Amino acid sequence: AQSVAQPEDQVNVAEGNPLTVKCTYSVSGNPYLFWYVQYPNRGLQFLLKYITGDNLVKGSYGFEAEFNKSQTSFHLKKPSALVSDSALYFCAVRDMIAGFQKLVFGTGTRLLVSP
Amino acid sequence: DTEVTQTPKHLVMGMTNKKSLKCEQHMGHRAMYWYKQKAKKPPELMFVYSYEKLSINESVPSRFSPECPNSSLLNLHLHALQPEDSALYLCASSQDSGGAGEQFFGPGTRLTVL
Repeated sequence: AQSVAQPEDQVNVAEGNPLTVKCTYSVSGNPYLFWYVQYPNRGLQFLLKYITGDNLVKGSYGFEAEFNKSQTSFHLKKPSALVSDSALYFCAVRDMIAGFQKLVFGTGTRLLVSP
Repeated sequence: DTEVTQTPKHLVMGMTNKKSLKCEQHMGHRAMYWYKQKAKKPPELMFVYSYEKLSINESVPSRFSPECPNSSLLNLHLHALQPEDSALYLCASSQDSGGAGEQFFGPGTRLTVL
């Protein structure tokens, strides 16, 4: 089965500094990877995805992610953090069951951006 | 319109009640999903509908009964729930169920079972 791991429960960063939220994956075959963000008491918002192609994927709100096949990682990055980026971030991988798509999420990383 | 809507936003019910959660999307997506999310945990898939047919049931107890009346609507009927069923219930949709497209999520229904 496909899986992702988010090794950090929480990441703290000062506003204006670069941020990285880590994700590693374990898949058979080609990975289809996603990042979502969740604000308190809200649903998940799609940020970006990697299917194939360039290893650097650009997404919403200035976020990007770097796919690294040799390290089986898909870390989320942003050059300059904003206080409003504080939220819960989930990495996810697509799994297939009998030909149907299923998203498998990591445990989530809480990002706190201090002013 | 890239929005998935869910009603109600909050629901409190007793263990003997019957209630329903509603989800709607107008993006022309042919796959719809129900997820359950406990506090500080990732979402867990419950059901997948593809072209209005139930395709995946992740061993969900029968007190949860999904229904897809048409391609835009998805319901989750609740009956005889337990307090441990209290959670955020998220609906999502995607263009189809077998591709690589992302899923779009609604804001969720916060369910409390007393």
